[in-house]
Amino acid sequence: GAGVSQSPSNKVTEKGKDVELRCDPISGHTALYWYRQSLGQGLEFLIYFQGNSAPDKSGLPSDRFSAERTGGSVSTLTIQRTQQEDSAVYLCASSRTGESGSPLHFGNGTRLTVT
Amino acid sequence: GQQVMQIPQYQHVQEGEDFTTYCNSSTTLSNIQWYKQRPGGHPVFLIQLVKSGEVKKQKRLTFQFGEAKKNSSLHITATQTTDVGTYFCAGRYGGTASKLTFGTGTRLQVTL
Repeated sequence: GAGVSQSPSNKVTEKGKDVELRCDPISGHTALYWYRQSLGQGLEFLIYFQGNSAPDKSGLPSDRFSAERTGGSVSTLTIQRTQQEDSAVYLCASSRTGESGSPLHFGNGTRLTVT
Repeated sequence: GQQVMQIPQYQHVQEGEDFTTYCNSSTTLSNIQWYKQRPGGHPVFLIQLVKSGEVKKQKRLTFQFGEAKKNSSLHITATQTTDVGTYFCAGRYGGTASKLTFGTGTRLQVTL
């Protein structure tokens, strides 16, 4: 596709359940980011994948959060034993790197609601 | 850790007034990008600044990168209702392959 695709667009889950959020980046983009945005707030960095390098996991808020990127393309963010404070919009973005002015292209996000 | 702060958090102007948001980092940035997020939307790239003291213009928008590469600003001349949204700066502390750290954002409201 032409843009970054995220699924599902909305997810409602019960506290304690696990959830998986998916991101399909733009083809050929080597960098992939996950951010979290609570209502009316800024973008909280979660994790960054760059090519074959080890991911930068410094933003993951707890060990309940994990992410992987298979084959340098699709990424999955997994939240185990969800808590109400995990409710937010989870945004994925991809970019080319190694080029000047490589902007991030964002998906439309997954709105997660934990009840 | 490295943080990027923006001020103000929120500004409400009347259409036709000017608007400026400021972005500040405690350590030197290698480059800085600006994004706009419309209500209900996702951030969209506006511009990147790389050189010390760089100034770039896009119609009514003027972007500056400080001489020390620790701060940046976005100025909008004669705001319009279409300028409504949240403006984020985002900086890199290493090369082009380093992660992008977003600022706290400035929400702009424009009324007639």
